[in-house]
Amino acid sequence: NAGVTQTPKFQVLKTGQSMTLQCAQDMNHNSMYWYRQDPGMGLRLIYYSASEGTTDKGEVPNGYNVSRLNKREFSLRLESAAPSQTSVYFCASSSRDRNTEAFFGQGTRLTVV
Amino acid sequence: AQSVTQLGSHVSVSEGALVLLRCNYSSSVPPYLFWYVQYPNQGLQLLLKYTSAATLVKGINGFEAEFKKSETSFHLTKPSAHMSDAAEYFCAVSPYNNNDMRFGAGTRLTVKP
Repeated sequence: NAGVTQTPKFQVLKTGQSMTLQCAQDMNHNSMYWYRQDPGMGLRLIYYSASEGTTDKGEVPNGYNVSRLNKREFSLRLESAAPSQTSVYFCASSSRDRNTEAFFGQGTRLTVV
Repeated sequence: AQSVTQLGSHVSVSEGALVLLRCNYSSSVPPYLFWYVQYPNQGLQLLLKYTSAATLVKGINGFEAEFKKSETSFHLTKPSAHMSDAAEYFCAVSPYNNNDMRFGAGTRLTVKP
């Protein structure tokens, strides 16, 4: 049972480069999320998707785009990476039932130089 | 919009001592509240959750939390700390009517032998 799978686990980008972080879940969850984790700031919500075909901005959406490709997959794209986007990125998913918690992937450590 | 504040970015206790990690929330609608734990280089795991069924919530590894509406608090406690409890702990809030889950900045727990 894989749960939430993120790829890649590590990435180094040069300023201005683009890349897509991939996330897939096998729990048949409706909702998916992208967070970034920075020291002293906890996890901040970038974007979320309450269901297939819908996406909404979170606290810190600037510089990012997302795609809910299907129910399983939710990708995060950096069109032009900046050093301020150096962070650890976590994907998570949860069911439609509001009583359930979010399940997290192992994270992607991104460094922009 | 909802938010959580975790008081104390670092807490240090001796093995066998009481663990108390503080969390206060702000929400314009009835909240769901969660505590997560993160071990080094890993994703987040759920410790416990409050979903209005009972104000005292018991979680895994001997942790529990009490929802106090009058104090807008959801503090995490454990009677006796173990070395394996050393980790970072996050409080999170989610309104009952959408998927916008927000996290606190985190509290790093150190357990001294």
